[in-house]
Amino acid sequence: KNEVEQSPQNLTAQEGEFITINCSYSVGISALHWLQQHPGGGIVSLFMLSSGKKKHGRLIATINIQEKHSSLHITASHPRDSAVYICAADPYNTDKLIFGTGTRLQVFP
Amino acid sequence: EAQVTQNPRYLITVTGKKLTVTCSQNMNHEYMSWYRQDPGLGLRQIYYSMNVEVTDKGDVPEGYKVSRKEKRNFPLILESPSPNQTSLYFCASSLRYRGGRQETQYFGPGTRLLVL
Repeated sequence: KNEVEQSPQNLTAQEGEFITINCSYSVGISALHWLQQHPGGGIVSLFMLSSGKKKHGRLIATINIQEKHSSLHITASHPRDSAVYICAADPYNTDKLIFGTGTRLQVFP
Repeated sequence: EAQVTQNPRYLITVTGKKLTVTCSQNMNHEYMSWYRQDPGLGLRQIYYSMNVEVTDKGDVPEGYKVSRKEKRNFPLILESPSPNQTSLYFCASSLRYRGGRQETQYFGPGTRLLVL
């Protein structure tokens, strides 16, 4: 079992829909990261969370430390949100991130 | 502009021919890292460095070398590339102090490597 699990693996949506991507982890962490990778390949950091909730535009990330679970929400989705979304856990006891395998999102007009 | 640069962006080579992929950051970050990305496997860490002259193995270090002689540069060296090292490679940097959490990572644009 992977230490960081994402669901779903693939997600399709119509423009305007509310999107939720989930990330569960099994290790104690000091932070959790959400990354976005567009089809061109570049990776951008969206959020770093250690508790609660963060919002940036139409993107919202939440984390529940007790339940070892984080969600990434996209409100009013748009075709330009089509990308792979990756969560990464930052464990207490190492200097390395543990990555999920990503969720591929496609938003159709 | 804050950035991580990688060169080359695309590389086709043959088995056994030594190559170096350069990585440079202009943010004075302590932490630098190399990842490879393969379909279905996600991002896997090859090596990382906490600071100058301090490097550690990641999850898949076999067949790779790194060095950190200057804070801004972290080259990835493949002494004798093999076809199973065909992959998409990313360099990243961030603020991080040993024992502390990793702050926002900045990724380079990626290097697509094909080893024939």
